[in-house]
Amino acid sequence: QVQLVESGGSVVQPGRSLRLSCAASGFPFSYYGMHWVRQAPGRGLEWVAVITYDGRNEYYTDSVKGRFTIFRDNSKNTLYLQMNSLRVEDTAIYYCAGDHCAGDCNPRPNLLYNRFDPWGQGTLVTVSS
Amino acid sequence: EIVMTQSPATLSVSPGERVTLSCRASQSIRNTYLAWYQQKPGQAPRLLIYGISTRATGVPARFSGSGSATEFSLTISSLQSEDFAVYYCQQHSDWPLTFGGGTKVEI
Repeated sequence: QVQLVESGGSVVQPGRSLRLSCAASGFPFSYYGMHWVRQAPGRGLEWVAVITYDGRNEYYTDSVKGRFTIFRDNSKNTLYLQMNSLRVEDTAIYYCAGDHCAGDCNPRPNLLYNRFDPWGQGTLVTVSS
Repeated sequence: EIVMTQSPATLSVSPGERVTLSCRASQSIRNTYLAWYQQKPGQAPRLLIYGISTRATGVPARFSGSGSATEFSLTISSLQSEDFAVYYCQQHSDWPLTFGGGTKVEI
């Protein structure tokens, strides 16, 4: 059964750092790009970052560039999000999500489909003094 | 950045009704890079439609997507009780990937 389980969310002061993890199972993790998507309390969805299947390419939304780093360990089937210099506006539920592929899903360099499936259940990050 | 605008923000409907949700992009979406998601309270979103009109695995046939360029829609042909949720459109035509603000379908 396909599963993504996030962890690492907590309450943290502005300016501090936090690392989120996303453990994958039930599918060939190393074949797929992976995303982080966040949702502020009572708000809509915001894409944060994506990493290709091999970890060689990353893309970020502007508001987190230079502060957040997405990376992965395919030997551990785990995705990470290192969040530095946290701001109050980073408060959100953070979801990891697979880069949804249909049809021929053999990995190719820097190929991303940029739609999201499956999703984890999310982990809450609260940035507050 | 491509801004996605969904309307209406809230839709009050009865079970069995046909509903159409709208999504407008601030610039033309290339190819078929438009998806729809459903999110129920306390749950993660779920992919419903990709490629404008292709249902994801396990999605009932009452859900359909259509549109092109800047105008897109999601139709639920006969609303079931389990369909009351928030629906988001998402473009992946350009960076950054962006979502609409969502349409809440309520009883």
